[in-house]
Amino acid sequence: GAVVSQHPSWVICKSGTSVKIECRSLDFQATTMFWYRQFPKQSLMLMATSNEGSKATYEQGVEKDKFLINHASLTLSTLTVTSAHPEDSSFYICSASRRPGVSYEQYFGPGTRLTVT
Amino acid sequence: RKEVEQDPGPFNVPEGATVAFNCTYSNSASQSFFWYRQDCRKEPKLLMSVYSSGNEDGRFTAQLNRASQYISLLIRDSKLSDSATYLCVVNIPTSGTYKYIFGTGTRLKVLA
Repeated sequence: GAVVSQHPSWVICKSGTSVKIECRSLDFQATTMFWYRQFPKQSLMLMATSNEGSKATYEQGVEKDKFLINHASLTLSTLTVTSAHPEDSSFYICSASRRPGVSYEQYFGPGTRLTVT
Repeated sequence: RKEVEQDPGPFNVPEGATVAFNCTYSNSASQSFFWYRQDCRKEPKLLMSVYSSGNEDGRFTAQLNRASQYISLLIRDSKLSDSATYLCVVNIPTSGTYKYIFGTGTRLKVLA
């Protein structure tokens, strides 16, 4: 149990275009989903926390108008990178957490490697 | 001060060795603590949660010291397959919800 999928696994896009990444919890309901970014040889940096049915909470320094997050259901959250630029190239990973009280552990998707040319 | 700090390593140890990693955190309101393992270009995988009384899972032992705000991970009888980056993760309550903060990770290389 506790499987999280992410789609696509990798994407190459041209500068100026938008890219949507999906994160799904396959066998559990995720009240909260998290989006991270990881640059080479660095740790995961939390971008935003997404609670189902409410607006995402963005970390300091993350542009909410550039990284649009939607958490429409208990099993799906999407991250849209708008007007992508080469510096947005990174490994984007989502994670999902069950309802508090059941478990605080988070389960990660396999990640999406974005390359902007 | 970073919210979660780890020695980045790398720790190069021979097979069969015992190795320990430490992690310190700054927010005393932190509630839950975890060790994750991340292989190169892969997503993190949960290794173990860390409980106040300390806990063990096979060759792995985790300890929590709330007073000093640090957690540790001990790996006994290291295997080549233990080579990875070990991430300390702390759960922090925030604005009616919670979030996870990752340490920078400690790289471990187990040598034959």
